[in-house]
Amino acid sequence: QSALNQPASVSGSPGQSITISCTGTSSDIGGYNFVSWYQQHPGKAPKLMIYDVSNRPSGISNRFSGSKSGNTASLTVSGLQAEDEAVYYCNSYTSSSTWVFGGGTKLTVL
Amino acid sequence: QVQLVESGGGVVQPGTSLRLSCAASGFTFSTYAMHWVRQVPGKGLEWVAIISYDGNHIYSADSVQGRFTISRDNSKNTLYLQLNSLRVEDTALYYCAKARANYGGGNDCWGQGTLVTVSS
Repeated sequence: QSALNQPASVSGSPGQSITISCTGTSSDIGGYNFVSWYQQHPGKAPKLMIYDVSNRPSGISNRFSGSKSGNTASLTVSGLQAEDEAVYYCNSYTSSSTWVFGGGTKLTVL
Repeated sequence: QVQLVESGGGVVQPGTSLRLSCAASGFTFSTYAMHWVRQVPGKGLEWVAIISYDGNHIYSADSVQGRFTISRDNSKNTLYLQLNSLRVEDTALYYCAKARANYGGGNDCWGQGTLVTVSS
């Protein structure tokens, strides 16, 4: 199972919005609505930000939103804040009943 | 509160074995699927394995299939990962993670990880 494809880095200024893409295949992202997004700060465990494409867990800011079109999922962060600077990973269920992560995207808040 | 605590990591030689444990508390462990995820320091996350709430369904990544075995003891609220035939490339921080629900995706609780170093 190949890793999902994410851009290595994205950046934006405080207050702006950014979108991180995550591209897979019809055997993972395109076949199921089980895409999650995680935020990871240096030295910390990953934190669930979005599950099942567009759902936010309790306590997650509504500045974070998710969507999917075909084989590509997206995470949008609006109203960028300094604390949003982190690495973001997408994750999807696959047709082999396994799960697969993307390579991660480093978000820099300028 | 929901908590996961991994243990069992260490420095081992190639070809040897290790068993990782993950002690769960603060939730009904026996009703949730559990995952192992690993991360080479400075690199990305790699999904390793999943076990259903009752232990009857197990799936693992191709990279570890036949060498790593996930299991659980619901009476002890503990998740395990048996690592056999270890390779240098298995060096990583190993996290256990709780599935948010038994249908759908998302891991809503993670431990702090236990470091496995495979080196001669």
